[in-house]
Amino acid sequence: KAGVTQTPRYLIKTRGQQVTLSCSPISGHRSVSWYQQTPGQGLQFLFEYFSETQRNKGNFPGRFSGRQFSNSRSEMNVSTLELGDSALYLCASSLSRTPDEQYFGPGTRLTVT
Amino acid sequence: AQSVTQLGSHVSVSEGALVLLRCNYSSSVPPYLFWYVQYPNQGLQLLLKYTSAATLVKGINGFEAEFKKSETSFHLTKPSAHMSDAAEYFCAVAEQAGTALIFGKGTTLSVSS
Repeated sequence: KAGVTQTPRYLIKTRGQQVTLSCSPISGHRSVSWYQQTPGQGLQFLFEYFSETQRNKGNFPGRFSGRQFSNSRSEMNVSTLELGDSALYLCASSLSRTPDEQYFGPGTRLTVT
Repeated sequence: AQSVTQLGSHVSVSEGALVLLRCNYSSSVPPYLFWYVQYPNQGLQLLLKYTSAATLVKGINGFEAEFKKSETSFHLTKPSAHMSDAAEYFCAVAEQAGTALIFGKGTTLSVSS
């Protein structure tokens, strides 16, 4: 069974631009969560999607948004990029909305210059 | 709000020595607890999880952790370290519903020969 895939793996953007990251969950998984990992703040929860609906959101500004499609694939978008948005963005998928077994993708490394 | 504290940002052991990585959590209800490992340029891999079944939890690669409610701890141990165990380890806690994980700051494990 294929794991969680994230595209692209690496991305370089300029301040003020916007970016879209993609996550394809494990087949059959309906929940997708996104996390931001930075050296300073560590791993922080961004949001969770289940059945195309955002179910939970972390403490991030409105520039961070996401969506989930009917095939459970998810995208996250960051508008008006700031230098501090440079991070590894990880997505995780699970069968349902319980936290007991989430599988993480390899992440997208975003660098904002 | 739930939180996780990992004592020691960096732990160094010799190959064959005991590995002990410390994690304390704050939660008013029995939580889900997890240990994840992250190798360089990779996502997170689940080592083990506590979901209110047995208090001693065995995971992959010879790791185990013991849930101690009185101490609000969930320390990770391995009897004999191997060079391949060198990585960053994260303790995480989750609420009963939803998939949002709250992570500790991480502990980098170094193993010397």
